[in-house]
Amino acid sequence: GAGVSQSPSNKVTEKGKDVELRCDPISGHTALYWYRQSLGQGLEFLIYFQGNSAPDKSGLPSDRFSAERTGGSVSTLTIQRTQQEDSAVYLCASSLRQGPYNEQFFGPGTRLTVL
Amino acid sequence: KQEVTQIPAALSVPEGENLVLNCSFTDSAIYNLQWFRQDPGKGLTSLLLIQSSQREQTSGRLNASLDKSSGRSTLYIAASQPGDSATYLCAVGPSNTPLVFGKGTRLSVIA
Repeated sequence: GAGVSQSPSNKVTEKGKDVELRCDPISGHTALYWYRQSLGQGLEFLIYFQGNSAPDKSGLPSDRFSAERTGGSVSTLTIQRTQQEDSAVYLCASSLRQGPYNEQFFGPGTRLTVL
Repeated sequence: KQEVTQIPAALSVPEGENLVLNCSFTDSAIYNLQWFRQDPGKGLTSLLLIQSSQREQTSGRLNASLDKSSGRSTLYIAASQPGDSATYLCAVGPSNTPLVFGKGTRLSVIA
């Protein structure tokens, strides 16, 4: 596709339910990143994937959060047993490869609301 | 731990003014710095990327500078327009980890 796409654009769920958020990176981009933007806060890094390497999960806030990337392309971020503090906009980005000289391109985000 | 600060948090200017947004970072060991724009309810649009070996980048009415030694970057917007109204985010790229973001400057350009 022309850019990074994410689905759904909005998700409302009840506390305790599991949710899955999807990211389609730009074709050919080997690096994929998930960030979270909470109300009044900056963007915080969650997890990133680079090619076939093991993902860097150092930003995940708890073990309720996990992510996978299938076939080096599409990624799914899963939040289990959602809590109200999980409400945020979840942004996905991709770059041609991981590294300091590669520009990251962001998707439109998924706005998650946990009631 | 790298920290990024953006000043001011909000700015309102009349149309046509030139303006400067500031970004500072605590660890000068960066590889790049990226400026983004975010419109309400939208994702991030990349505006400019400055590599650590560069001093500035220009795109149209935008000019971004980088001074690694002092841990500072500025985004200069010339002849501001109402369409420039958005939140501007600065992010730095350390060596082997993803971007570290500031909290942004919310810009309003009044017609």
